Amino acid sequence: QSALTQPASVSGSPGQSITISCTGTSTDVGLYNYLSWYQQYPGKAPRLIIYDVTRRPSGISNRFSGSKSGITASLTISGLQAEDEAAYYCSSYVSNSWKFGGGTKVTVL
Amino acid sequence: QVQLVQSGGGVVQPGGSLRLSCAASGFTFLSYGMHWVRQAPGKGLEWVAFIRYDGTEVFYADSVRGRFTISRDNSKNTLFLQLSGLGPEDTALYYCASPPASDPGGYYLAGYWGQGVLVTV
Repeated sequence: QSALTQPASVSGSPGQSITISCTGTSTDVGLYNYLSWYQQYPGKAPRLIIYDVTRRPSGISNRFSGSKSGITASLTISGLQAEDEAAYYCSSYVSNSWKFGGGTKVTVL
Repeated sequence: QVQLVQSGGGVVQPGGSLRLSCAASGFTFLSYGMHWVRQAPGKGLEWVAFIRYDGTEVFYADSVRGRFTISRDNSKNTLFLQLSGLGPEDTALYYCASPPASDPGGYYLAGYWGQGVLVTV
C-alpha cells in the first residue's frame, strides 16, 4: 500500500496561485473519484477542504479548487494568503482500503 | 454539529495493548461508516482501519492487520480501536474520523475528525 506522491513543499507569494499535485496509479486515483484533500495546521487535526475531486464542504473558501487528470489529482489555492500556510494531504479510496499522500508543506513567502 | 470525542491514549510497553474510544454526536452514527487514522510524530497521515455502518465489514491497513481490531457500539454511538502487539512503530496520534454527511459509505474518508489521542510505545 504505497502512498500517493505529493511534492514535499510548495511556496508562493501572497495573491499568487499555487498547485499541489497528487499522483497515484490506475488502481487508485486513476480509477476512482473518491479523492479528498485536507489542510492541517501544526498541532491541529486535519480539516477536509475538497472531496469528490472538486467539491468543497460548506464553509471552505472558493479559493480552494480541485481537479483530476488520469492518475494525477491537483489542488489549487488561488489568491494565496498567509493563513494558507499549512500542510496539505490528498487521500484516495482503493479497493477496500484508503491511502494518503505524503503531504505538502505550503509556505507563503 | 458533529462532534467526535476521543479517549484512551497513553504510554504502553512494547507488546502491550490499549483500547481507544471515540464518542460521536451530532449525526446519525449508526448510518455511517467510520475510520481510524494515525499520524506518527512529525510524519504524515496514515489510514488505519474502517468499519461499515452496521459493523458487518471491517478493513485494515497492512501495517496493523492482525494486531488492531476496529469495532463499534451503535447503541452508545461509540467507535473503538483495540490495539495489541504494539511496537515503537505504532507510536502516533490516533484520530477517529467520520465521512462527509453525503457519504455514509465512507469513501471520501474523513469529513470530521476527533481531537486525536497520543499512543506512545
